[in-house]
Amino acid sequence: DAGVTQSPTHLIKTRGQHVTLRCSPISGHKSVSWYQQVLGQGPQFIFQYYEKEERGRGNFPDRFSARQFPNYSSELNVNALLLGDSALYLCASSLAPGRAYDYGYTFGSGTRLTVV
Amino acid sequence: QKEVEQNSGPLSVPEGAIASLNCTYSDRGSQSFFWYRQYSGKSPELIMSIYSNGDKEDGRFTAQLNKASQYVSLLIRDSQPSDSATYLCAVTGAGSYQLTFGKGTKLSVIP
Repeated sequence: DAGVTQSPTHLIKTRGQHVTLRCSPISGHKSVSWYQQVLGQGPQFIFQYYEKEERGRGNFPDRFSARQFPNYSSELNVNALLLGDSALYLCASSLAPGRAYDYGYTFGSGTRLTVV
Repeated sequence: QKEVEQNSGPLSVPEGAIASLNCTYSDRGSQSFFWYRQYSGKSPELIMSIYSNGDKEDGRFTAQLNKASQYVSLLIRDSQPSDSATYLCAVTGAGSYQLTFGKGTKLSVIP
């Protein structure tokens, strides 16, 4: 079975540009969460979606947005990129938000974003 | 501000020894607790989850939870060089499904 798939794996953008990151959850998983991991830190929660609805939002500026599609895949969009947005962006999936209590979240391999 | 604290390490142990990793959390209403392993340049991988006070064992790994002390630990028995990684403690709060992570503890197992 395919795990959580993220694309692209690496990305270099210039300050002020826009970026779109994509995630496909494990088959059968309906919940997708996005996390940002800066070097040397633990992942920080950005968004959670379930059944195409936003179920949680972390402490990130409005430049960050996301959506979930009918097939449960998801996009994370970041506008007006800043140098500080350089990080590993992780997508995590679970059967449903509450099922994380049973099985935890499974992370994709991430997208490494570098802003120059 | 919900916080999860971990000693950043590095923690060095000889091969075959027991590695002990510790984590404290600030939100007394926290409900679920997870340990993830992250190799350099890779994504976090779930090792253990625990929800009730006490110990939970899975192979060489034992997670321990003490909600009164707001403390979670992970013991790795018979440590192997392949266990060398950063170990992340993560917590979900009351009524929330988002994970709050600590900064991680870097473990080095010396052959």
